[in-house]
Amino acid sequence: DAKTTQPTSMDCAEGRAANLPCNHSTISGNEYVYWYRQIHSQGPQYIIHGLKNNETNEMASLIITEDRKSSTLILPHATLRDTAVYYCIVRVLSYQLIWGAGTKLIIKP
Amino acid sequence: ETGVTQTPRHLVMGMTNKKSLKCEQHLGHNAMYWYKQSAKKPLELMFVYNFKEQTENNSVPSRFSPECPNSSHLFLHLHTLQPEDSALYLCASSQVALSGANVLTFGAGSRLTVL
Repeated sequence: DAKTTQPTSMDCAEGRAANLPCNHSTISGNEYVYWYRQIHSQGPQYIIHGLKNNETNEMASLIITEDRKSSTLILPHATLRDTAVYYCIVRVLSYQLIWGAGTKLIIKP
Repeated sequence: ETGVTQTPRHLVMGMTNKKSLKCEQHLGHNAMYWYKQSAKKPLELMFVYNFKEQTENNSVPSRFSPECPNSSHLFLHLHTLQPEDSALYLCASSQVALSGANVLTFGAGSRLTVL
């Protein structure tokens, strides 16, 4: 099963770009990469997803390497409200998203 | 209301009580999910309903009983729970496509404490 590896925690200064890495070396050709975040004790919030190409929306950018074995989520101008746990997930089965521990991102003033 | 709404937000119950968690989605999605999130653990998928039919049951104890009367409503009936069942219970919905992405929209969760 495809699995992801993320750093446990990261810090970023307010106003700077936050770059969150994710390794998914066993991803298969038709599996999407999803990013969600969870602010303390709230439900997870969808951020972005991608298959092969880089993607951008109003929240973030997703950069996927050509071999698809890793990706980076970029929050272009981090604010204090971006402090959260960020999950990188690869869809494994039809309805299953396997959730890991994620990266705890702390934005510092 | 828009999105996914869960009630109650907080629930305290004894081990012999029977209670229910409710979830409602206003997004026109065809799939609904129950997840459990215990302290310092990853989200665990409990149940999936697609077009009101249960398609996943991840070895969840029978003291948790889901019900999906229509594609917009999902319940989790709780009976004879244990203190270790205390957790954040999250409902989600999605529009499942035959191929392609499956993006979940989550509710705010119901924080359950079992005494």
